Amino acid sequence: DTGVSQNPRHKITKRGQNVTFRCDPISEHNRLYWYRQTLGQGPEFLTYFQNEAQLEKSRLLSDRFSAERPKGSFSTLEIQRTEQGDSAMYLCASSRPAVGTGELFFGEGSRLTVL
Amino acid sequence: GQQLNQSPQSMFIQEGEDVSMNCTSSSIFNTWLWYKQDPGEGPVLLIALYKAGELTSNGRLTAQFGITRKDSFLNISASIPSDVGIYFCAGHNGGSQGNLIFGKGTKLSVKP
Repeated sequence: DTGVSQNPRHKITKRGQNVTFRCDPISEHNRLYWYRQTLGQGPEFLTYFQNEAQLEKSRLLSDRFSAERPKGSFSTLEIQRTEQGDSAMYLCASSRPAVGTGELFFGEGSRLTVL
Repeated sequence: GQQLNQSPQSMFIQEGEDVSMNCTSSSIFNTWLWYKQDPGEGPVLLIALYKAGELTSNGRLTAQFGITRKDSFLNISASIPSDVGIYFCAGHNGGSQGNLIFGKGTKLSVKP
């Protein structure tokens, strides 16, 4: 396993700008998840893909957020019109088919700072 | 919404000591998991528990799924400096298999 890869690792942007993060899951993993983590908190679930289908979205995923996984491999998370409250670590995770619930492999995260 | 309460929030221990931390919830969970996160890294799965009462070990780590399904604990025996980090409990009781509820973490610091 080469691990879950995320980029960019760090992004600083001005309020109102759009940002996009990319996640490359472990190659044989068909399930992909996005989480958000703020300082001093645990990760919070945002959305889940099985192959290319987005099957679940948290109410945390406002209409400014959109996630895609067009070919069932890598995924992107776009945040439009960023706000200071969007500053957080965005974590991507993947898991194998037929694996136990919650057994996720996380990437190193993409840290967003909105000025 | 559902919340997991982890305690203690932080702890300092001497190298070689045993460590105990726990996680409680007002709701029932079907799965409990423990993850560890090092600075600048994503969480790494340590132990997964799937049955009430289950006791599982992974090296020096032991975790239990509480009988009431509302709590779990994690023990670390004979702590070493590389045990430093933040330990998160996580629970699952519905939704996709990756839709987990995480606690706020227990920060472990070891005095060498």
